[in-house]
Amino acid sequence: AQSVTQLGSHVSVSEGALVLLRCNYSSSVPPYLFWYVQYPNQGLQLLLKYTTGATLVKGINGFEAEFKKSETSFHLTKPSAHMSDAAEYFCAVNYGGSQGNLIFGKGTKLSVKP
Amino acid sequence: GAGVSQSPRYKVAKRGQDVALRCDPISGHVSLFWYQQALGQGPEFLTYFQNEAQLDKSGLPSDRFFAERPEGSVSTLKIQRTQQEDSAVYLCASHRGVNTGELFFGEGSRLTVL
Repeated sequence: AQSVTQLGSHVSVSEGALVLLRCNYSSSVPPYLFWYVQYPNQGLQLLLKYTTGATLVKGINGFEAEFKKSETSFHLTKPSAHMSDAAEYFCAVNYGGSQGNLIFGKGTKLSVKP
Repeated sequence: GAGVSQSPRYKVAKRGQDVALRCDPISGHVSLFWYQQALGQGPEFLTYFQNEAQLDKSGLPSDRFFAERPEGSVSTLKIQRTQQEDSAVYLCASHRGVNTGELFFGEGSRLTVL
């Protein structure tokens, strides 16, 4: 079955440190790839997406992700963490089914220490 | 409205009661999705509509779950004879119909079954 794996359910970094959240997908056919962020009691908000073209994708709030086909990965990074980045982050893929149905990872909760 | 609107935001039901959750998608959005998000998990697909047609209901966990979108805009997710395992946040999402997979999510309806 097609799946998305997020390594680490909880990541903690210091303010100003590098943020790295890992995502791997299971498919030989490159899907569309997404990162969503969820703040407490809020809906999911799109951070960035990869569909075609440049493999390094820039999103909102200084986040970026790189699609690496050889590694079937789409890791999310930010050079310098801010307290406001504390949230839960979900990687999602669209393998083309159901006209846009997304398969989500289990999420990674990011904590930022002062 | 400008975004996806869901109601109620919070619902407490006694086991065995029926509940109805409403989703009002972004105006003009053709596609509508329902997801279930259990505590500590990523969203899981329930069902998908294109206009008023329910094209995929493979994610509905049992025949107690029913969804409709009779006029192709507002959708209702109904859960009959609720069980404790139905406790979750139910997320609604919509998109324009272009299969880029970028879904716009509502804030969700948190259902607690006692």
